[in-house]
Amino acid sequence: DAGVIQSPRHEVTEMGQEVTLRCKPISGHDYLFWYRQTMMRGLELLIYFNNNVPIDDSGMPEDRFSAKMPNASFSTLKIQPSEPRDSAVYFCASSFTLGYGYTFGSGTRLTVV
Amino acid sequence: AQSVTQLDSQVPVFEEAPVELRCNYSSSVSVYLFWYVQYPNQGLQLLLKYLSGSTLVESINGFEAEFNKSQTSFHLRKPSVHISDTAEYFCAVSDRGRDDKIIFGKGTRLHILP
Repeated sequence: DAGVIQSPRHEVTEMGQEVTLRCKPISGHDYLFWYRQTMMRGLELLIYFNNNVPIDDSGMPEDRFSAKMPNASFSTLKIQPSEPRDSAVYFCASSFTLGYGYTFGSGTRLTVV
Repeated sequence: AQSVTQLDSQVPVFEEAPVELRCNYSSSVSVYLFWYVQYPNQGLQLLLKYLSGSTLVESINGFEAEFNKSQTSFHLRKPSVHISDTAEYFCAVSDRGRDDKIIFGKGTRLHILP
């Protein structure tokens, strides 16, 4: 298995533009998580899905953020419109279970200028 | 709700010296415990985990952690560090009984000094 695949690895965009981050979880994993990592706030859980259904989105910072999982092998995190304070590394992770251990992707480094 | 405390945000240590990274969690009847490592510009990787059984768990690269229920701790140790151990280390915990999501600590950055 290739692990959790995220794309793009780096994204630079101008303030106000729409940004879409993509994630392919490990086949067979029922849970998918989106995290954001910054120097100031550390690792934050934004949202997680179970069997493609969003379960907990309490970490999504505001309405500009949205996440979808149309099928078991693909998820997106969209920011519209983007702002400089959204600059961070965004990680996707997947797992068989909720509390047993997660496999992380390599992350997308987002820079909003 | 479960919480994790990593007391040290940064730990400098000389190469070949021993190191201990501290982790405490809020009390619970039964927990799963994890240490993840993040090398520069990479994602988090599972270093070791405690699920049940022996309270001392080891990783393939010489790290070990001991589950101490009375102290609610899961400190990470290595007897002799190498420059390649430079990374950020995250302690994490989940409530086994509640089947709850994993909660991560804020991380400890390990600096290896030559």
